[in-house]
Amino acid sequence: DAGVTQSPTHLIKTRGQQVTLRCSPKSGHDTVSWYQQALGQGPQFIFQYYEEEERQRGNFPDRFSGHQFPNYSSELNVNALLLGDSALYLCASSGGEPAYEQYFGPGTRLTVT
Amino acid sequence: AQSVTQLDSHVSVSEGTPVLLRCNYSSSYSPSLFWYVQHPNKGLQLLLKYTSAATLVKGINGFEAEFKKSETSFHLTKPSAHMSDAAEYFCVVSVGGSQGNLIFGKGTKLSVKP
Repeated sequence: DAGVTQSPTHLIKTRGQQVTLRCSPKSGHDTVSWYQQALGQGPQFIFQYYEEEERQRGNFPDRFSGHQFPNYSSELNVNALLLGDSALYLCASSGGEPAYEQYFGPGTRLTVT
Repeated sequence: AQSVTQLDSHVSVSEGTPVLLRCNYSSSYSPSLFWYVQHPNKGLQLLLKYTSAATLVKGINGFEAEFKKSETSFHLTKPSAHMSDAAEYFCVVSVGGSQGNLIFGKGTKLSVKP
């Protein structure tokens, strides 16, 4: 059983560009959450998707948007990239048993130059 | 508002000695609390969880944590450290019920000396 998978592993972008990160949840999970982990910090919640809709959102600007597909996979989009968006982006899935456990993927390392 | 504070940014122990990683929480209602571990270049792994059942929680790899409401603490312990325990540890509180978003502490880096 594959766990949470994310692609790509690493990404380098230039300021002002747009980026899309992808996540496939663990089998049996229907909820996907995204987190941003800056260097030396704990992850910060960006948003959560359930039934193809954004269910909760953290304190992130509208430049951060997402989508969930019918197969429960998800995308995180970031527009107008800033240097400060450089971070490890983590995807977590949940909804299996027990429902509250979130399983994390290995992350996508985004570098903005 | 919910929050967690990890009291030590770095803890260093010798192999075979006890581990104590300290965490205090703030919550307006009964919280769900977790400890996650992050090894270099790997994803976050759940060590253990407290969800209003037994106050002493046992996790994987010999780790335990005790929920103390009077002290608003949820410290992580292990009787004997192993070299493979060297990693970053995060204390986490869940907001908004069973599938709420997670609020992470800033992390404690555990070093284990041979």
